[in-house]
Parts: sequence; structure tokens; C-alpha cells
Amino acid sequence: DTAVSQTPKYLVTQMGNDKSIKCEQNLGHDTMYWYKQDSKKFLKIMFSYNNKELIINETVPNRFSPKSPDKAHLNLHINSLELGDSAVYFCASSPGGSPGRETQYFGPGTRLLVL
Amino acid sequence: SQQGEEDPQALSIQEGENATMNCSYKTSINNLQWYRQNSGRGLVHLILIRSNEREKHSGRLRVTLDTSKKSSSLLITASRAADTASYFCATDDGTALIFGKGTTLSVSS
Repeated sequence: DTAVSQTPKYLVTQMGNDKSIKCEQNLGHDTMYWYKQDSKKFLKIMFSYNNKELIINETVPNRFSPKSPDKAHLNLHINSLELGDSAVYFCASSPGGSPGRETQYFGPGTRLLVL
Repeated sequence: SQQGEEDPQALSIQEGENATMNCSYKTSINNLQWYRQNSGRGLVHLILIRSNEREKHSGRLRVTLDTSKKSSSLLITASRAADTASYFCATDDGTALIFGKGTTLSVSS
């Protein structure tokens, strides 16, 4: 059983398109996250949700919007894709409400390429 | 801003040798974590060390933490080819995990 799953695994699209990446966790965790990893492997937090409430919103463009229909899902919607959005996007989850103080469990990543 | 900084950026060793990676950070922390990322995969948690701990072991892994120097080290003993991966330290700023840029370890047989 996959603990944190993401779909799709690969996403190739044209500039200006809108796309979504889905994430699901079956660990019963309260908090979920989205990270962006650039070509130099630098991993940066984008968002986290705790019980359907946004608790961190880093300085990401408002073209990016997280949507959480329930505690087990945190989807990432991206409008008007730009070349600089090309990266690997990771979803993660952690058990409780202290994002920085707990082990996080990562999904396999979604490799986004914007042409 | 980036909190953790790993050193070296890349490390190549032979199987059976020990590998040491270092992490320096800037501000006070509650804990520090180490993660491994195999090529093309997500990150996997290795070990968490709290700010009041100085050393922690897990199998072939040994982590030390020196809060006075704001640094941590990860030692992998008797390395194996399967240890080839990128290793990241992550610190806690109270609201999120902040990752360093990682050390890429290559273990050749």
C-alpha cells in the first residue's frame, strides 16, 4: 500500500496551460504539504494544510492554489503555466499539527516540464 | 531563506568505507532531521535528533548535533552501493521544515 501517492508522475505541457496534480495519503495524518524541487535539488516548502486549513503559504505566485477536499487529499492547481514552473513537485504528510517538528512522509514526486 | 547547508556537495567513496556529511544552520532549532533521496524518488526520513540530544544512532547511521556550532553530521558506516543517494538535513523554524541543498553520495563497488 502506497502511503503518499501522487498523480500524474510525469506532466509535459505548454506554457499558458492550467494543470492539476493530485495527492492522497492513507496514513491518517492531519497535515499535508507541497514542495517544489528545482533542477539543483533545492527543496522549498510551498504550502501546508492542517485539517483543511491553510497554515503555511510561502511566497509562491497566486497562480498556484492548493485545494483540499478532505484530510486525505491535497491537490495542487497551477494556472497559466510558465517555463520557470518546470520542476519536481512533492507532496508530503505528517501526523499532527506541528509541521516543523515531525517526520514527514513524501510521495514519489510529479515531474513537470513546461514547454 | 535557506536554513541548512550541507557539506560536501558531492562525495564519492568505495563500498565498505564510511561517509560523513555535515550540515550547518543559521538560527536556533527545535530539532534537526536527515532525509535520503534516491534518484527519481521522494525523500525518505532517516533520523530526527532533538536540540537537547548530542548523538543518535540508527543501524549504520550516526547523527551528531552541536547546537553551539549550529552544525550536525551524518555518518554512514560500512557503506553499500545502495546508499548511493542525496542526503538532506532539515531544520525546524517552528512552522515548517527547511531543507538544505543536500550532499550527493556515490558509493561504488
